Formats: sequence, structure tokens, C-alpha cells
Amino acid sequence: QVQLQESGPGLVKPSETLSLTCTVSGASITSSYYYWGWIRQPPGKGLEWIGNMFYSGKTYYKPSLESRVTISADTSKNQFSLKLNSVTAADTAVYYCARRPSGHSPDYWGQGILVTVSS
Amino acid sequence: DIQMTQSPSAMSASVGDRVTITCRANQDINNYLAWFQQKPGKVPERLIYASSSLQSGVPSRFSGSGSGTEFTLTISSLQPEDFATYYCLQHISSPLTFGGGTKVEI
Repeated sequence: QVQLQESGPGLVKPSETLSLTCTVSGASITSSYYYWGWIRQPPGKGLEWIGNMFYSGKTYYKPSLESRVTISADTSKNQFSLKLNSVTAADTAVYYCARRPSGHSPDYWGQGILVTVSS
Repeated sequence: DIQMTQSPSAMSASVGDRVTITCRANQDINNYLAWFQQKPGKVPERLIYASSSLQSGVPSRFSGSGSGTEFTLTISSLQPEDFATYYCLQHISSPLTFGGGTKVEI
């Protein structure tokens, strides 16, 4: 059974860096068939795709976030991470990690983690 | 970016109603479209993939159709557990983009 679990601080100060980790079990992030990515949802609002990475290390980001986002992998731990720098209150959201088979939509999601940006 | 316009943004319905939600893309996305259901405080769950394929375990009252730029999610007979918010997602190209959501309320 594939499982994804987000972890990281629930509170980040404005202008600092949001850092989250997704731990994957039941599948390998080095598989050539899957993308591994992040999606967020501000409170009371809709879903927003942030970006994803492929096993080769190639990454794809939402253009409006690209200057602040990095998605990377730690293959030894079967984890991938999200870093979003220079955060503001607008980055307050539930952050989900997700698996997406190549050519398909996301099929497995983590439970989500609420990150609040506040001083 | 491909823009996904979902309508309506909210609707009132009753148990047993037939419900139709539409998603339009501003360019051809073939059948690279999925539908998700999200209940308050819960993780979105995929209902339909590749425009019209029913996700395993999803009741057959849910169906999807469309190709190109216009897509539809239909619930043939609304059940109490179907009151939720529904999102479409195009995944033909990055950045992936979601529709704005449709909240189905009593």
C-alpha cells in the first residue's frame, strides 16, 4: 500500500523559508514511472499545484512560484522535500504531497499539513 | 498556463437529484482531465481519471465525459455522502491547473 506523509513546521515567520518533507512508503521515488510533487490549498480556497520532480531529478514548477520554490529528493530515505523561501501570509495553506504516474493525474496524496505564516 | 473554468461554483441540490458539473479548458487537453471530490477537512479523492474512467471503488453513479476543451462530471442520483466540493484538474502539461471548484450543498 502506497502511503505519503508530510512533515515539517506548522508555523513559519514572514520572509523565512518554509521547508516540508514527504516520506514515501510502498513505492520508490526513484521509479521511472512516477512524478512526486506538492499541491497546496489556502484556508477556504481551492487547490493549487506547486510543482513536481521526476526520478531523473528534473523539476517542474508553477511559473508564479518558480523563483521561490525548490523540490528535491533524498533517495536514501525515500523522501522528497519542498522549500519555499521569502514566505508571506499568502503562503498560509494546507500543503499536500502527491504521487502522479507519468501521463496521469495524482493518485496518492498525503494527509496534508497546515503551514501558517505569521510572526 | 492552461486555464480551467469550472461551473457552477456552487449549487444547491437534493438527495436523488441528477447533478452536472462542467469544466472548460482554454485549449485542447485531449482527455487529460481528472475529477476530485473533497469533503471538509479531508484529502481530495480522485473520482474520475482520463476524462471518463471511474476510479476503483467509486460508486457507479459518478461518471465523466468529454474531450478537447469541454468536460462534464455527472452524479446520476445524489446521495447524502456526495455533498462536497468537486475539482477538475488538467494534466496534459505543466503547470497542472485545477478548476476553481464546485461546492454541492443541500
